[in-house]
Amino acid sequence: SQQGEEDPQALSIQEGENATMNCSYKTSINNLQWYRQNSGRGLVHLILIRSNEREKHSGRLRVTLDTSKKSSSLLITASRAADTASYFCATGSNTGNQFYFGTGTSLTVIP
Amino acid sequence: KAGVTQTPRYLIKTRGQQVTLSCSPISGHRSVSWYQQTPGQGLQFLFEYFSETQRNKGNFPGRFSGRQFSNSRSEMNVSTLELGDSALYLCASSLVRGAETQYFGPGTRLLVL
Repeated sequence: SQQGEEDPQALSIQEGENATMNCSYKTSINNLQWYRQNSGRGLVHLILIRSNEREKHSGRLRVTLDTSKKSSSLLITASRAADTASYFCATGSNTGNQFYFGTGTSLTVIP
Repeated sequence: KAGVTQTPRYLIKTRGQQVTLSCSPISGHRSVSWYQQTPGQGLQFLFEYFSETQRNKGNFPGRFSGRQFSNSRSEMNVSTLELGDSALYLCASSLVRGAETQYFGPGTRLLVL
């Protein structure tokens, strides 16, 4: 079964607004990653946060991690039409390359 | 460096047939993982190969199999195709096992009629 679940399933915002999506997971993790997928294509790695980190920034992306609540959030600031995509969280352990992906949040940024 | 490549990109098969998908990892990457993506189930882990050996397997029937060659290229095979096998099959590579980041290919979209 899947490890992570994203919320909301779909999000529609105006260009320039901020977009926040959340991810909850079930078991202990080593790290959590966020990926973006443009329609029907491969996943692109966005950012990784380790279990001992609480917040991380990369450009317009800000990720937080709360291991006590088993949840993470991804904030995209000043969104652009090109940010339109599906966003997935993935949790990884240190026992190999088996990553567990959530069901994704579909983000639409309206120009 | 070239990214992960997958062939073919699109495939149409009929029920009962078998299919082989190919994945070439990033040069120097030795670990290859396969995922199935469907609208209903999302991304599900199929298996992982490292040094030509399957190291990890997801919860899929035995009709799904794979292998890895000495140059780290990997193939996955699905026998006796079912309608529910229609999906986007994604391959991801990483330098070593347990690497924090996987790099994904564009996927092979399989349609089973």
